[in-house]
Amino acid sequence: SQQGEEDPQALSIQEGENATMNCSYKTSINNLQWYRQNSGRGLVHLILIRSNEREKHSGRLRVTLDTSKKSSSLLITASRAADTASYFCATENNAGGTSYGKLTFGQGTILTVHP
Amino acid sequence: DVKVTQSSRYLVKRTGEKVFLECVQDMDHENMFWYRQDPGLGLRLIYFSYDVKMKEKGDIPEGYSVSREKKERFSLILESASTNQTSMYLCASTIEGGRIYGYTFGSGTRLTVV
Repeated sequence: SQQGEEDPQALSIQEGENATMNCSYKTSINNLQWYRQNSGRGLVHLILIRSNEREKHSGRLRVTLDTSKKSSSLLITASRAADTASYFCATENNAGGTSYGKLTFGQGTILTVHP
Repeated sequence: DVKVTQSSRYLVKRTGEKVFLECVQDMDHENMFWYRQDPGLGLRLIYFSYDVKMKEKGDIPEGYSVSREKKERFSLILESASTNQTSMYLCASTIEGGRIYGYTFGSGTRLTVV
């Protein structure tokens, strides 16, 4: 079953603009992660935010987490054409016991950055 | 540079064939995972393994089995391939339950069953 749901499904912006993608989830989590996928390739881990954290930065990426609303957002600042990719949120659910790092992925946001 | 290697990028198999998808990681990770990715459905977990010879079913294990005889290798087996198993298959591994470093993914195997 899909835990995370990204919004929007597709986003088209111009180079230099900021891109914001949102993710909602349903159950209690240990952490939430964002991944990027270039067309036809494997996913690349971008950033992980733990359930007790509210905001995290990595370069041009800013992730926020609101556990009361069960939602997260990924902001990419000053976007570049090379940022064109699909972006997925994934949650490690806290269902009791050991999760073994098992992740549940959303369906992704397709980001297109026009030069 | 740490790596997860999937043996084939593209594979075409016939209906009814037994298919082996191989995944090898060089990071001494305990946990390994097989997902399939389909348009509109995202990534769905097929099986995962948290130790040698240990395996757990994911969300969609039907029609699949796995093997983990060595820590670095996790194989996905399609016992009798069917056309509805045409998909992109992604292998991933992680350490520390993924709580620190996240997953490392392979490049994927695009399987077509005809």
